[in-house]
Amino acid sequence: QQQVKQSPQSLIVQKGGISIINCAYENTAFDYFPWYQQFPGKGPALLIAIRPDVSEKKEGRFTISFNKSAKQFSLHIMDSQPGDSATYFCAAGSNYQLIWGAGTKLIIKP
Amino acid sequence: DSGVTQTPKHLITATGQRVTLRCSPRSGDLSVYWYQQSLDQGLQFLIQYYNGEERAKGNILERFSAQQFPDLHSELNLSSLELGDSALYFCASTLGTGSYNEQFFGPGTRLTVL
Repeated sequence: QQQVKQSPQSLIVQKGGISIINCAYENTAFDYFPWYQQFPGKGPALLIAIRPDVSEKKEGRFTISFNKSAKQFSLHIMDSQPGDSATYFCAAGSNYQLIWGAGTKLIIKP
Repeated sequence: DSGVTQTPKHLITATGQRVTLRCSPRSGDLSVYWYQQSLDQGLQFLIQYYNGEERAKGNILERFSAQQFPDLHSELNLSSLELGDSALYFCASTLGTGSYNEQFFGPGTRLTVL
């Protein structure tokens, strides 16, 4: 009940394409779903987060889609750029705990 | 720059040894989290401290221990080191204790055990 399953493990997308990373959780008590971005040699940094009262949140080219009934959420990166190449982590939790996904290594080919 | 500092940046040591990793949180942050990231692996949560008190424990080995001092900096002690302990160790800080708070990560300490 405490797992967050993230897929795919790695992803290669052409420049200008749409990158999609998916996460699924089990604990229905979770009500906070952040995405963190990590560049090589750096610590992760918060990219975007969503609460379950909305089905979508958009910040620039980054969008979180949230499906409460399916217990799934995903990150969409529109018009993907080489600078988006990084590892992306989803997480799910409540105020008392945050469970991390295993990460997705995204490579954007120029 | 997240405002979180970690020292040292790199550490090379031998099996069986003991090392201490240090983390200074962002100014004003009271909570510190420690994570382990092995090569091409995800983030493994180790332990969280809030204002000097242990708040949550993750997959932390008995050979590992941590503490947070009155000035809020934190140290992670790793003893009886094994080859498998080679990894990046991150600390992150937040203002409050709850998971809703954005975590600000330091640059990490790369530990190599030979």
